[in-house]
Amino acid sequence: DAGVTQSPTHLIKTRGQQVTLRCSPISGHKSVSWYQQVLGQGPQFIFQYYEKEERGRGNFPDRFSARQFPNYSSELNVNALLLGDSALYLCASSLRPGNEQYFGPGTRLTVT
Amino acid sequence: AQSVTQLDSQVPVFEEAPVELRCNYSSSVSVYLFWYVQYPNQGLQLLLKYLSGSTLVKGINGFEAEFNKSQTSFHLRKPSVHISDTAEYFCAVTHPGGKLTFGTGTRLTIIP
Repeated sequence: DAGVTQSPTHLIKTRGQQVTLRCSPISGHKSVSWYQQVLGQGPQFIFQYYEKEERGRGNFPDRFSARQFPNYSSELNVNALLLGDSALYLCASSLRPGNEQYFGPGTRLTVT
Repeated sequence: AQSVTQLDSQVPVFEEAPVELRCNYSSSVSVYLFWYVQYPNQGLQLLLKYLSGSTLVKGINGFEAEFNKSQTSFHLRKPSVHISDTAEYFCAVTHPGGKLTFGTGTRLTIIP
């Protein structure tokens, strides 16, 4: 069975641009969470979605938004990119909130 | 609020020697505890988890951890390490249904 998949693998953007990252959960998983991992630090929680509804949000500005589609895949959008948004963005899926989370390989975003 | 402290940012260990990676947490409610491993340029892989029951938890690749409620610790151990164990290790905590809160990570380097 396929694990969590994320696209693209790498992305380079300039300050002020907008970016969309995509995540497909493991088949049967209905919850998706997004995390930001800055170099040298642990992942930081951004969003959790379950059954297309936002179930949790971390301490991130409104420039960050996300949504979950009827097939349970998810997109993370970041507007007005800053240099500090450069990071590895990880998506994790689980059967439902509170269950074990399985992580994808991540999307490495570089903002120049 | 929950927090996780990983006391050692880097741990060098000779091959076939034992290792302990330390993790302490703070939370006002009951929590679930996890250890994840991250190999270079990859996402996170679950090593082991404590949800309830026996305080000694065995995971993949020969790792184990012991939950100590009185000391609020969840240290990771392996009796004999291999070169392939070189990676970043993250301790994480969540309460049921909640987000994962990660520590800052411990870089384990195996010396041949």
